[in-house]
Amino acid sequence: EADIYQTPRYLVIGTGKKITLECSQTMGHDKMYWYQQDPGMELHLIHYSYGVNSTEKGDLSSESTVSRIRTEHFPLTLESARPSHTSQYLCASSVGGSLNEKLFFGSGTQLSVL
Amino acid sequence: GESVGLHLPTLSVQEGDNSIINCAYSNSASDYFIWYKQESGKGPQFIIDIRSNMDKRQGQRVTVLLNKTVKHLSLQIAATQPGDSAVYFCAETGLGGSNFGNEKLTFGTGTRLTIIP
Repeated sequence: EADIYQTPRYLVIGTGKKITLECSQTMGHDKMYWYQQDPGMELHLIHYSYGVNSTEKGDLSSESTVSRIRTEHFPLTLESARPSHTSQYLCASSVGGSLNEKLFFGSGTQLSVL
Repeated sequence: GESVGLHLPTLSVQEGDNSIINCAYSNSASDYFIWYKQESGKGPQFIIDIRSNMDKRQGQRVTVLLNKTVKHLSLQIAATQPGDSAVYFCAETGLGGSNFGNEKLTFGTGTRLTIIP
């Protein structure tokens, strides 16, 4: 069982609010990722990190930002939430030599912006 | 462009029967393929992977088949159980992506597998 945790599990928030989705892993993995997933749809990579102080944008453009100050922590922030941000956000990590090999996923944060 | 797609969005199988979930990919440079299982309310969970130098790989009750000629991947689940009900995603990665040295996974849309008691 992978040790990667996301909080909160569910978040309902009003438009314009600033939010931070937390993600932590205790496996010592260098690589971490954020995916966005709409119900029944594929996962889209929005951010990833090779390690501390490394952050990169993924394939899907996102207004969110991320930081990687510690190996185990990779929070995602939305400065001003909008209804279009409503989605499930999945955090993942990996240790493989190639980016994205054998991802370990958290349970996700279901975000609803009213 | 690159795409990974599944042939069927839903699949219903009688408990105890075998399931076959199919996946097509378009990137001929793909060299690593993964199947993930996502149960309701959970994140995707790794099931099995296969590299392009193999045609078949077996796990516990699961087998992945790779046909590079037609760019087709399948996941076979033997003797399906109620716990197999989930959405199954195939994903692929390989050299030759838009970012140098960055082989990123591309996920398909998923197939929802329902086990009928």
